[in-house]
Parts: sequence; C-alpha cells; structure tokens
Amino acid sequence: DAMVIQNPRYQVTQFGKPVTLSCSQTLNHNVMYWYQQKSSQAPKLLFHYYDKDFNNEADTPDNFQSRRPNTSFCFLDIRSPGLGDAAMYLCATSRGEEGGVQPQHFGDGTRLSIL
Amino acid sequence: TQLLEQSPQFLSIQEGENLTVYCNSSSVFSSLQWYRQEPGEGPVLLVTVVTGGEVKKLKRLTFQFGDARKDSSLHITAAQPGDTGLYLCAGARDSNYQLIWGAGTKLIIKP
Repeated sequence: DAMVIQNPRYQVTQFGKPVTLSCSQTLNHNVMYWYQQKSSQAPKLLFHYYDKDFNNEADTPDNFQSRRPNTSFCFLDIRSPGLGDAAMYLCATSRGEEGGVQPQHFGDGTRLSIL
Repeated sequence: TQLLEQSPQFLSIQEGENLTVYCNSSSVFSSLQWYRQEPGEGPVLLVTVVTGGEVKKLKRLTFQFGDARKDSSLHITAAQPGDTGLYLCAGARDSNYQLIWGAGTKLIIKP
C-alpha cells in the first residue's frame, strides 16, 4: 500500500501560471520534505517541515512556497513557474530526531512540465 | 563543492558482470544510507550503515561503511537487468533525519 502519495503524477502548466502539487502520508511522520530532481541527478532539497515548523533551504527560490495544514498533508506551490522549474518534484517523510537514524520514505513524484 | 562524491556518475555493463559504486567524503558521517531509484519512481531505501567498518549484504548487493565513516561502497555481484537504476548515497551528520545527498550513479545493466 502506498504510504506517501503524490498527486498528480504528471502536471502541465503554462509559463507563469501558478501550480500546486500535493502530498499525503499515512505514516504519521513528523517530517515532510519537498525535493526537486532534474534528469537523473540527485534530489535537491527545497524545504522541509518538522511538525509545523517550516525550514527553507538557503538557495530555494522565493517562487517556491509550501503549506502543511495538518500532519498528513503538505503542498508545494510554485507561484510563477519558469521553464527552469520543469522537473520531477518528490515528497518524502521521516520520523524526527528521536529513535536514531531515520530513513526517508518517498512518493513516486510529480513530473512538472512548463509550456 | 559536493560534500558526498559518488563515482562513477554513469556505468553501463553487461548482465553477469560485477561492479562497485563509491561514495566518498572528507567529512565524517554518523550514518550513511543507500537508495535505489527506478525511472518514474521515488528513491527506495536499500540499507543504512552506522558503524565504521560495517558490512551489510542484501542478496547480491554488499554495502560497506569505511572505518573512519567518511566513505562507503556498494558492490553488486553478477548484475542483472533488474539492478538498473539511479543509486544514491545519503549521509547524516548533524541530525538523525536531515540527509546530505550524493550526486548519484546511473547504472544500466544490458541483457
């Protein structure tokens, strides 16, 4: 059973048109992450939530924002997508600090195309 | 500067051959994880190594954590087409849940 679910799997939007990607989890994990991944490269962390605390990476463009209304859901909002934002967007979850080393559990991603 | 260097970046070999992928750093990690990502899917955890010198085996895959906990290797014996994918190493330093990612090794096993 899928434990981290991303919707949609494929998203096409127009240059400059806002888009929202969604992620839900059934693992009850404290931490939710959003990564951007381009063509067989390593995932690049955009930001993460530790419970309700939002943590932005220093080099994440202002164009990217996130919301986490409850433990199970997290959204990635791209306010004005540019051509360079075309990528696979991965959501992941993990437990927090307690309990030792934590693996990350990934969804299957949303592939975003910009026209 | 990449904190975790993976090599090679790309490897294409015939079915049945052996291969090794390396993950190196000048920094010490408290643990290191290996993930495999197949096309169109998210990365999936293969193994976590925690102790310096630790060796873990997963069928034909052997993972080793360096004695100084600065490097790791993944060895695949008798590679099969099903091993094709992007192999990512990720290390934990200052926290148990935030990971530093290597650039990945794209592996293709030809039948």
